[in-house]
Amino acid sequence: ELKVEQNPLFLSMQEGKNYTIYCNYSTTSDRLYWYRQDPGKSLESLFVLLSNGAVKQEGRLMASLDTKARLSTLHITAAVHDLSATYFCAGGFSDSNYQLIWGAGTKLIIKP
Amino acid sequence: DSGVTQTPKHLITATGQRVTLRCSPRSGDLSVYWYQQSLDQGLQFLIQYYNGEERAKGNILERFSAQQFPDLHSELNLSSLELGDSALYFCASSVYPGGYGYTFGSGTRLTVV
Repeated sequence: ELKVEQNPLFLSMQEGKNYTIYCNYSTTSDRLYWYRQDPGKSLESLFVLLSNGAVKQEGRLMASLDTKARLSTLHITAAVHDLSATYFCAGGFSDSNYQLIWGAGTKLIIKP
Repeated sequence: DSGVTQTPKHLITATGQRVTLRCSPRSGDLSVYWYQQSLDQGLQFLIQYYNGEERAKGNILERFSAQQFPDLHSELNLSSLELGDSALYFCASSVYPGGYGYTFGSGTRLTVV
């Protein structure tokens, strides 16, 4: 059974700092997804990571995937207040028709 | 607007009642997924359809059922509602299972009183 674990679950940081959110999964995942959710809002797709060593960047966010370590990271560079949100990682598997198995989410608060 | 339309946005109903949530996928997407988000359970996969056929079931209660119609819209039916069914219900769509990214609707917030 696939399990996805994120840490930390809560992160409060200052603007301008760097930090990393970790996503561990328990078995080989075909795809690893990162989503952002603002309070009471929908889920916004950030990154889809398909293969070992994949790295994707969008603005101050960079996601990477290490399939051997079963680890994905979401790195935040020089954080700004607008990045405050809850970030989820999710794994997708071909043998389960790519239903997404979700991490618990990381609530990120960036203070000015 | 993500292109995935969910109605209604909010729903308040009493225990024991039945409700229907509706989802219209993004144009061109054949796969529809339903997810439940609650404070205690987090995000849970409920059920998946592809081009009208059920493809996968997750943690969906027997009191819940869903279908995808020929025009590809989907409905999630929740019956004999309990307080614990209060949650945000999301629909997502993709071109095919495992397609590059899933587009989520804005969700239906269900409150059972």
